[in-house]
Amino acid sequence: DTGVSQNPRHKITKRGQNVTFRCDPISEHNRLYWYRQTLGQGPEFLTYFQNEAQLEKSRLLSDRFSAERPKGSFSTLEIQRTEQGDSAMYLCASSPGGGPNSPLHFGNGTRLTVT
Amino acid sequence: AQSVTQLGSHVSVSEGALVLLRCNYSSSVPPYLFWYVQYPNQGLQLLLKYTTGATLVKGINGFEAEFKKSETSFHLTKPSAHMSDAAEYFCAVSDPDTGRRALTFGSGTRLQVQP
Repeated sequence: DTGVSQNPRHKITKRGQNVTFRCDPISEHNRLYWYRQTLGQGPEFLTYFQNEAQLEKSRLLSDRFSAERPKGSFSTLEIQRTEQGDSAMYLCASSPGGGPNSPLHFGNGTRLTVT
Repeated sequence: AQSVTQLGSHVSVSEGALVLLRCNYSSSVPPYLFWYVQYPNQGLQLLLKYTTGATLVKGINGFEAEFKKSETSFHLTKPSAHMSDAAEYFCAVSDPDTGRRALTFGSGTRLQVQP
């Protein structure tokens, strides 16, 4: 168990640029989640995959955001035309099969700063 | 919709003193409940969870929490604080009935431990 890996750890970009983050979940975990965390707040759910299928998306996920999980392995989160309000920590988590009582295993996050 | 309220964004205790972090939930059915801890610049780590059965749940690092349905609470306690407990703590809830996989987090409580 090597844990959930997220890259890059930090990303600084200018407003209007596109950014892409990558998440490698724990192997054999078929569920993968993306959360966003702003300073002083708890994580907010963005989207969830079971294998390669994106099963749920939050209203927070505007049309500038897109997430993929090809082949049900790693996932990418892309933000197009970044805005200063997108500055946050983006957390990825994975979990094995099972019900909603399965705990999430989080990565260390990607901190995005939009200038 | 389910929600979580954590009373007190900051809690400060002396080393060796009792730790009490409060969490109240709002849900139409008894939910699954979780406590996570986050150290600086890291992802979240599961401390403990309540699903069904015994209402007093023991977790890692000497923490425990008690599910009280009548009070809709799931407060986190530790008899004796250690300097290494300084971190941010998040209470989270999931709904066992809807099958929705995402967790809803509270806004967090930052614990400071004074020597």
